[in-house]
Parts: sequence; C-alpha cells; structure tokens
Amino acid sequence: AQSVTQLDSQVPVFEEAPVELRCNYSSSVSVYLFWYVQYPNQGLQLLLKYLSGSTLVKGINGFEAEFNKSQTSFHLRKPSVHISDTAEYFCAGSTGNQFYFGTGTSLTVIP
Amino acid sequence: GAVVSQHPSRVICKSGTSVKIECRSLDFQATTMFWYRQFPKQSLMLMATSNEGSKATYEQGVEKDKFLINHASLTLSTLTVTSAHPEDSSFYICSVHGGGGTDTQYFGPGTRLTVL
Repeated sequence: AQSVTQLDSQVPVFEEAPVELRCNYSSSVSVYLFWYVQYPNQGLQLLLKYLSGSTLVKGINGFEAEFNKSQTSFHLRKPSVHISDTAEYFCAGSTGNQFYFGTGTSLTVIP
Repeated sequence: GAVVSQHPSRVICKSGTSVKIECRSLDFQATTMFWYRQFPKQSLMLMATSNEGSKATYEQGVEKDKFLINHASLTLSTLTVTSAHPEDSSFYICSVHGGGGTDTQYFGPGTRLTVL
C-alpha cells in the first residue's frame, strides 16, 4: 500500500530562519510527489511537484524539495521564511488518479 | 495549472435541509473531479471520485445516498448533502485531475458548511 507520512504536526520557526518540513513516502511502485499549502479557510495550492528527472524541485514562494529515493523522502525546505508562510502544508503522493495525503504540518512563523 | 472554483464559499443551513455545492473547472475540461472533506486541523479525506457522464465512485464509509454527486458536464460537478445534520458540518473541497500524465490535482477554494 502507498502512504505518505509527515513527521512533524507543528513546526514553529522564527522569521527569516530556514525551515524543513519532513515527508516520507512508502510505495512499491513509481510515485509522483507533491507539496501543497493551505491558508486558513482556503483550498490547497500547489507548491511544487516531483514527477521525474532532477531530484531537486523548485516551487513557488521560494520553496524547494528534494526527492531522495534511498531515504524515501521528499522534504520541503525554505532558506528564509516570512510571516506570510504561516499555513498548513500537506505532502501528497500519487501512483495514478488517486492521491494520498499526509496528515499535514502546521508551520508557524514567529516574528 | 487548472483553475477551479467552488460555490458557495460558505453556507449555513438548518438541520434536515439539503445543500448543493458546485465545483467548476474554469479553464480545463475535466473528465474526473474529486470531492474531499476536511475536519478542523486534519488532512483531507477523499469522499468520492466524480466521473463525467457516469456514476461517481464513493470511498468506503461514504454514504452515496447522503452525498449525491452529479458530473453532468466536463466543467461542472455538484455535491449535494441531503438532509444535512450538524455532524455534516465540515470543509468540502473539490479538485480536478490535471491529466496529461502528470497526476497533478488542482483544488478549489473549498466550501465551509455549517449545519445548525
């Protein structure tokens, strides 16, 4: 069975500090991986995705993620966070039409 | 990516009434749309897969007679919560499968349903 695990439910970080949100996947087949951001009372916005090719993926808002097959990870990083990055972040995987989501990581940027 | 809208964004209704939520794909013809439910501080739970021109596929534990889905065109899917009760209060989000082999899903802004 395929699954995605987000290891941290809450991550507080000071403004302008770097952040890493962790995501591990479990899949016996090739998998596509995604990071989405959700602001309060809004839908999900695609940050970035890994389909194939380069393992370092750059997304919007200065975020990037690295696909690591040996560690089955797809951690999200940003070198310097802003207050506006405070939101819920979801890692997701897909092997076909259906998505499977992680439980989410709440990122809080502290001024 | 595809642009997806939902209407209404927020609805409050009395217990026992039915509520219809629309999901529109504004710039993409979507043969497949998905409906999710999200409780506070939780992840998204897939409710059903909406297929244009055919019956929706419901996930285990989701009552098809309670949550009626109609996907009559390539740009519109509707979710009707019939005889709503307070426990149906939730955030409902639809998404469109981007197609083209990318498996990317694009999400609507969500609908907040509150049943009194």
